Amino acid sequence: NAGVTQTPKFQVLKTGQSMTLQCAQDMNHEYMSWYRQDPGMGLRLIHYSVGAGITDQGEVPNGYNVSRSTTEDFPLRLLSAAPSQTSVYFCASSSRKAEAFFGQGTRLTVV
Amino acid sequence: GEDVEQSLFLSVREGDSSVINCTYTDSSSTYLYWYKQEPGAGLQLLTYIFSNMDMKQDQRLTVLLNKKDKHLSLRIADTQTGDSAIYFCAEDGSSNTGKLIFGQGTTLQVKP
Repeated sequence: NAGVTQTPKFQVLKTGQSMTLQCAQDMNHEYMSWYRQDPGMGLRLIHYSVGAGITDQGEVPNGYNVSRSTTEDFPLRLLSAAPSQTSVYFCASSSRKAEAFFGQGTRLTVV
Repeated sequence: GEDVEQSLFLSVREGDSSVINCTYTDSSSTYLYWYKQEPGAGLQLLTYIFSNMDMKQDQRLTVLLNKKDKHLSLRIADTQTGDSAIYFCAEDGSSNTGKLIFGQGTTLQVKP
C-alpha cells in the first residue's frame, strides 16, 4: 500500500521555468490538498479538492494551478517559477473527517 | 479568520515530561490534531481529539483540550531522544473539505 506518493523528491528550477509536481494516492480518498512549508510558518494551504473535477483555492494560491481529473491524482503546476516559491511542498489526502495522510514532500529550489 | 498559534521551541532533558501548547480561533472545529515531523520527512499523525472531549490518553501521549479558552496541549511522558522533532498542532475548521489549518510548529529538543 503506497499511500500518498509525491514526485519528484527534489527539484531545482530557474526563474521563469514551469513544472508540475505530481501527487497520487491509492486509498480512494475524496479530499486532497497541497501545502507549502516554510521555516517558522508551519504549513500553508495552496489548493485543495473535495473530489474529482472540484478544486478551490487555499491561503496562498497565487502562482499555482491544480486540476483533479481523477480521484487518484492531484498535480500542482507552477506556471512561472519565482524564488519566493522555494519551499517544501506536501500533498495530503483524507476521507471525511479522518486522518490526513501526507506524502514525503518535494523540496523545490528556484534560482 | 482561522488561526493556530504555537510556541516555536522547547528543550527538555531525557526522561522529563514535555508539554507543547497550542491555541486556536475556530470554535467550530470538529477534530484537533497533533502531527510529528522528523528531519527531512513528511508529517506523521501522532494523535487527535474530538472537539467534545476534554482529554485523550494514548500510551506516553496525553492531549488536553480546553474549549472555553481554545487551548490544546500535548504532553509527552518520559521524553526520549527519539522524540526530538517538530510538532504541529492543526484543526479542521468549520468546512467539511479535508483541509487543515496548521500552527507554526514547535521544535522539541531532547537533551541526553
